[in-house]
Amino acid sequence: DQQVKQNSPSLSVQEGRISILNCDYTNSMFDYFLWYKKYPAEGPTFLISISSIKDKNEDGRFTVFLNKSAKHLSLHIVPSQPGDSAVYFCAASVAGGSYIPTFGRGTSLIVHP
Amino acid sequence: NAGVTQTPKFQVLKTGQSMTLQCAQDMNHNSMYWYRQDPGMGLRLIYYSASEGTTDKGEVPNGYNVSRLNKREFSLRLESAAPSQTSVYFCASSESGVANYGYTFGSGTRLTVV
Repeated sequence: DQQVKQNSPSLSVQEGRISILNCDYTNSMFDYFLWYKKYPAEGPTFLISISSIKDKNEDGRFTVFLNKSAKHLSLHIVPSQPGDSAVYFCAASVAGGSYIPTFGRGTSLIVHP
Repeated sequence: NAGVTQTPKFQVLKTGQSMTLQCAQDMNHNSMYWYRQDPGMGLRLIYYSASEGTTDKGEVPNGYNVSRLNKREFSLRLESAAPSQTSVYFCASSESGVANYGYTFGSGTRLTVV
């Protein structure tokens, strides 16, 4: 049973537009959320995170929004660039424990020039 | 600054063969992890080591063993490889108990078992 779900396996966006990647979770104990980005033939790299005490966190073109009541988070990329084309993994963990995150299955983002 | 180094990058095994995947990190991290990534399955935790001298099972430990050789190195062993273990394996490390910056992953080992 998936505790972290990324229901869109793929997303295609035009360069310069907004990319919105969604993630849902079922475990109400999760209180720390992360996004990773993965290029082919490379390991995932940490992108951005958010604690459950916040509902928004920004880092340059990347913003993560958290809706705790809906158990939903999203990653916004504005403006999207062709170099953003990658697989994006959502992950969630429980603070105070081992912090080991549970990963979603990933969303493949393609940004067209 | 190498980060997390995995060897080998590619390997083909016959069913029943054994092998060890090596992982080393140079960031003085306390915790290390082994994940596998399969198409459409995301990243699944095989084993982890919260600190030197400790190891624990993750979500999919069957068919694997691990050794935390020292603070830098964490190896994954397949004693008798099976086709179901065909996957991409990632090693990662982190400061224990600090989630803010996530994990640092290696570039992966692509393993095929025939």
